[in-house]
Amino acid sequence: AQKVTQAQTEISVVEKEDVTLDCVYETRDTTYYLFWYKQPPSGELVFLIRRNSFDEQNEISGRYSWNFQKSTSSFNFTITASQVVDSAVYFCALSGTNSGGYQKVTFGTGTKLQVIP
Amino acid sequence: GAGVSQSPRYKVAKRGQDVALRCDPISGHVSLFWYQQALGQGPEFLTYFQNEAQLDKSGLPSDRFFAERPEGSVSTLKIQRTQQEDSAVYLCASSSTGTPYEQYFGPGTRLTVT
Repeated sequence: AQKVTQAQTEISVVEKEDVTLDCVYETRDTTYYLFWYKQPPSGELVFLIRRNSFDEQNEISGRYSWNFQKSTSSFNFTITASQVVDSAVYFCALSGTNSGGYQKVTFGTGTKLQVIP
Repeated sequence: GAGVSQSPRYKVAKRGQDVALRCDPISGHVSLFWYQQALGQGPEFLTYFQNEAQLDKSGLPSDRFFAERPEGSVSTLKIQRTQQEDSAVYLCASSSTGTPYEQYFGPGTRLTVT
C-alpha cells in the first residue's frame, strides 16, 4: 500500500520569507514517482514537478526547489522569498506501477500555505 | 480546447437524485482519471480509463457510482441515488500516455447533496 503524509496542515508566513513544505511517503515499489501539485483557490490542480525514484538529484526552478531523500523517504518542497501569489494548498503525491501497467496516484492531505503581505 | 474541461462546475442535488458529471479531456489524451476530493482532503482515485476501456474502478466507493467513456474521449461519471457523503469535488485528469506523467487536471465539479 502507498501512503503520503503531509504533517503540516496549515502554514502562515510573511511575504519574502522562505518556507518548506514537508512530505514523507511509504511504498513497497522499487520504481515510483513523486509529484507536487498546487491548488489555488480556483480549485484546479497545477502540476509543479515529477521526480522518479532513481533520480535523487535536487531540483531548482526559480524560487522553487525540491529535496528528495530516499533514505528518509522524504520529498520536501521549499519556496524561497515567498509571494502572496504562492498562497494555495500544496499536495505531495506518489505513484507506483501496479499489475495493470499504469500508475495510480496517491495524494497527501495537503498543506495550506498562506503568505501574508 | 486547451485544457481539461468539466461540467457543470457546481451541482446541487437533493438526496436520492441521480447526477451526471462530464469530463472533456485534452484532445488525443489516451488516459483519463476520475478523483474525488472531500473538503480539506487530497484527491482520491476513483477510476481509470485507457481509451474506452475502464481498466481500474477499484476506487469507486459503491455500486451507485458508474463511469463511462464510450468513444475514448468524453467521460461521464454518474452517481445514482445521491447521499450526503457524496458531497465533494470531483476532478477529472487526462494524460497522453498510460501513466500519470504530466497529468492535467480539470477545474472540478463541486457536488453538494442536500
